[in-house]
Amino acid sequence: GAVVSQHPSWVICKSGTSVKIECRSLDFQATTMFWYRQFPKQSLMLMATSNEGSKATYEQGVEKDKFLINHASLTLSTLTVTSAHPEDSSFYICSARTPTGTSREQFFGPGTRLTVL
Amino acid sequence: AQSVAQPEDQVNVAEGNPLTVKCTYSVSGNPYLFWYVQYPNRGLQFLLKYITGDNLVKGSYGFEAEFNKSQTSFHLKKPSALVSDSALYFCAVRDMNYGGATNKLIFGTGTLLAVQP
Repeated sequence: GAVVSQHPSWVICKSGTSVKIECRSLDFQATTMFWYRQFPKQSLMLMATSNEGSKATYEQGVEKDKFLINHASLTLSTLTVTSAHPEDSSFYICSARTPTGTSREQFFGPGTRLTVL
Repeated sequence: AQSVAQPEDQVNVAEGNPLTVKCTYSVSGNPYLFWYVQYPNRGLQFLLKYITGDNLVKGSYGFEAEFNKSQTSFHLKKPSALVSDSALYFCAVRDMNYGGATNKLIFGTGTLLAVQP
């Protein structure tokens, strides 16, 4: 099946710094990618929808300036957590949607564990 | 409002016994339903989906799910559980606002499956 990778798999940073997380579709082109965050023992919360070549669509309550999303190519989307604080510590998961015309299911990356000290 | 409910936080089953993980949904129109599995500190892995056709859907690792329109349910089943099936299971339905064009998924809260040897 389709493979989605994320980098890094885990990151520890100091409060106030920025962290970039990459999401790549390895064997297919993804015009749409999604970014989720997951708190311990909770479900996935959709943060934003990333569309190649256009601005991301953010869910209600998600700060656009805090979580910068760039979808510069058909295989790469990045999430930058700016001026990170301890409350931003979470598990961030991306997914990529297979192209139109197929079942259009989402394939998920392995996740990135962010810890802000 | 569209939603997915997984009424059980945890399901315990003995190895070799059949397992069922419950899911009910509420969505306008015909639902697109999905099951995903998540192992610790990993992203979600796709198990199976229902789009249309046979109500009994077969998926990966011997799992299957039965779509029941009258009960608005999509329970996940396996005839004989393995210890390695122990993981967190998520049911999801496609957000059908805008005709499903956003391709967003609405996730349930997850059910932890524990298979005892």
